[in-house]
Amino acid sequence: EAGVAQSPRYKIIEKRQSVAFWCNPISGHATLYWYQQILGQGPKLLIQFQNNGVVDDSQLPKDRFSAERLKGVDSTLKIQPAKLEDSAVYLCASSSPLSHNEQFFGPGTRLTVL
Amino acid sequence: AQTVTQSQPEMSVQEAETVTLSCTYDTSENNYYLFWYKQPPSRQMILVIRQEAYKQQNATENRFSVNFQKAAKSFSLKISDSQLGDTAMYFCAFPRAGYALNFGKGTSLLVTP
Repeated sequence: EAGVAQSPRYKIIEKRQSVAFWCNPISGHATLYWYQQILGQGPKLLIQFQNNGVVDDSQLPKDRFSAERLKGVDSTLKIQPAKLEDSAVYLCASSSPLSHNEQFFGPGTRLTVL
Repeated sequence: AQTVTQSQPEMSVQEAETVTLSCTYDTSENNYYLFWYKQPPSRQMILVIRQEAYKQQNATENRFSVNFQKAAKSFSLKISDSQLGDTAMYFCAFPRAGYALNFGKGTSLLVTP
């Protein structure tokens, strides 16, 4: 079974630029999560999708962050414009009720904003 | 608010020894899951062990076991016979209402020869 795929693995941009991250969850997993992990901290939920609907985006900075999962499969997270404090690893995870909602994580995208 | 606290930023243990990582949490719910996740250096996060709150028996997965004290809201992870490959960040996690996770700040575990 293929795991959660993310790309790119690394990205360096200057502040005020835009960036987008892509995630393809495990096949059949209806729930997809985006987390932000700042260095030295635990991951923090940005947004959760159930199929193509948003379940929880209460911690998403909506003035600059957006995410979509149009067909209920892969997802894109965008930052526009980026700030220095957005430097972090962005983790995508997916889950299924069949696995007691265990979350399977991708390798993450490490973003550096200069 | 559901919070997760890991009070040990760093820990070190020698190979073959036993180490215990601490975690406390705060919730008003009665039925829930608790998780320990492992994040090795430059590698992806994986589930170590899961505990269901309604089960009195502590979960065990090979060398990994938990000490779950529901009344005290404590959920510690014990690693027996530590191996070099156990070196990683360990995160305690508690589900939010929609099953997304609230993570603690993590404990960096170093296993030395």
